[in-house]
Amino acid sequence: ETGVTQTPRHLVMGMTNKKSLKCEQHLGHNAMYWYKQSAKKPLELMFVYSLEERVENNSVPSRFSPECPNSSHLFLHLHTLQPEDSALYLCASSQRQGRTEAFFGQGTRLTVV
Amino acid sequence: GQNIDQPTEMTATEGAIVQINCTYQTSGFNGLFWYQQHAGEAPTFLSYNVLDGLEEKGRFSSFLSRSKGYSYLLLKELQMKDSASYLCAVRAASGTYKYIFGTGTRLKVLA
Repeated sequence: ETGVTQTPRHLVMGMTNKKSLKCEQHLGHNAMYWYKQSAKKPLELMFVYSLEERVENNSVPSRFSPECPNSSHLFLHLHTLQPEDSALYLCASSQRQGRTEAFFGQGTRLTVV
Repeated sequence: GQNIDQPTEMTATEGAIVQINCTYQTSGFNGLFWYQQHAGEAPTFLSYNVLDGLEEKGRFSSFLSRSKGYSYLLLKELQMKDSASYLCAVRAASGTYKYIFGTGTRLKVLA
């Protein structure tokens, strides 16, 4: 149990579908992140929310849409994805101040067919 | 640009010592992190260095030299369960949230 929970763990979707990934953290952190992990590539930062305000958006295609309704929950809404979007999507959280290691969820393994 | 380099794969024997190196070039520095990631699982935090020197935590130690842009993770008394990927990450600057990750080093521990 890492304190950061992601659902679903696995998702297969067609290119015309709409789906959402959910992340919940129970650590009292005030920053949350979405990362994409593809084979043989570094973890890519997609979005960061601090105190529910988006503070980083790393040129991610608009077919990925994040939502942070409160400091404990983070969503990633997906629509009209491409096969190259198949990857492991990791959610993380951290504190804004002080010791700042990020804690990761188990990830959602996404396959776009 | 921002860059973190690690070896892609390493192999070591159970009971041995292994050192995984990481070099980085980032605009600003506010800490270096090591994570362990087993296949299909979440990365888990191992160590944090923000000042030069060695941080020891049980069988794991991490070293940092900021002037050289260099860190290493030292694993002692290797066990089979240490077979995993080890990710080096740098937090680029204070007040930002950019954790820049390397590609990770896949460590295989052989019996």
